[in-house]
Amino acid sequence: SQTIHQWPATLVQPVGSPLSLECTVEGTSNPNLYWYRQAAGRGLQLLFYSIGIDQISSEVPQNLSASRPQDRQFILSSKKLLLSDSGFYLCAWSVLRRVTEAFFGQGTRLTVV
Amino acid sequence: GQSLEQPSEVTAVEGAIVQINCTYQTSGFYGLSWYQQHDGGAPTFLSYNALDGLEETGRFSSFLSRSDSYGYLLLQELQMKDSASYFCAVMDTDKLIFGTGTRLQVFP
Repeated sequence: SQTIHQWPATLVQPVGSPLSLECTVEGTSNPNLYWYRQAAGRGLQLLFYSIGIDQISSEVPQNLSASRPQDRQFILSSKKLLLSDSGFYLCAWSVLRRVTEAFFGQGTRLTVV
Repeated sequence: GQSLEQPSEVTAVEGAIVQINCTYQTSGFYGLSWYQQHDGGAPTFLSYNALDGLEETGRFSSFLSRSDSYGYLLLQELQMKDSASYFCAVMDTDKLIFGTGTRLQVFP
C-alpha cells in the first residue's frame, strides 16, 4: 500500500535561519508531488508541484524553493526564513495526470520567531 | 486566473442535510474533488467527479456541472463528527488547485 511520510511535525525557527522539510512516498512510482501552505483558518495555497525528477513548477514567487532529487522524495527549502513563512505545510502525492485522489502527509507546523 | 469559490461557513444541526457549493474558473479541468479537513489534521479525500452528474458515497454525495463550472457536496444525516472544513479541488493539467474552503459546524 502507498504511504507518505512528512517530517518534522512541528518546527520553531528564528527569522533568517534556513529551512528543510522532507517528504517521501512509498508504494508508488512516478507520482505527482505537491507542497502546500495553509495559514490558520484558511485554504491551501499551492507552492510547488512536480511531475518528475528535477521537474519542479513554482506557483508563488517567494523565498522558498523545492527539489526532487529522487522519484519519491520532495524537499522544501529556504535559505533565510521570514516571519510570513509561518504556517502549516503539507506535502501530497497523486497519480500522474489521473487524479481521483490525492494523499497528504501529516503536515509540518512551522512557526518563525 | 484560477479560482475556486466556496461559502466561508455553514452551520446545521445533527441529522440535517447541508449542501456546500463550489464554483470554479481554471484554464484546464480534469475533474472536481472534495476533501475534508479536521482542525490540526491533513485533508482527506471524500469524492471525485470527472463527468456531469451525481456521485454517491454513503452519506456524502457530490455533483458536477461542467457547463456551469459548478459543483456541490451534499452531506446527509449530519453527525457531530462532520464538523470540519471542506474543500473542493480541481486538477488543472498537473496542478491540484484547492478552493477557499467551507467551515461546517454541526450543532446538537
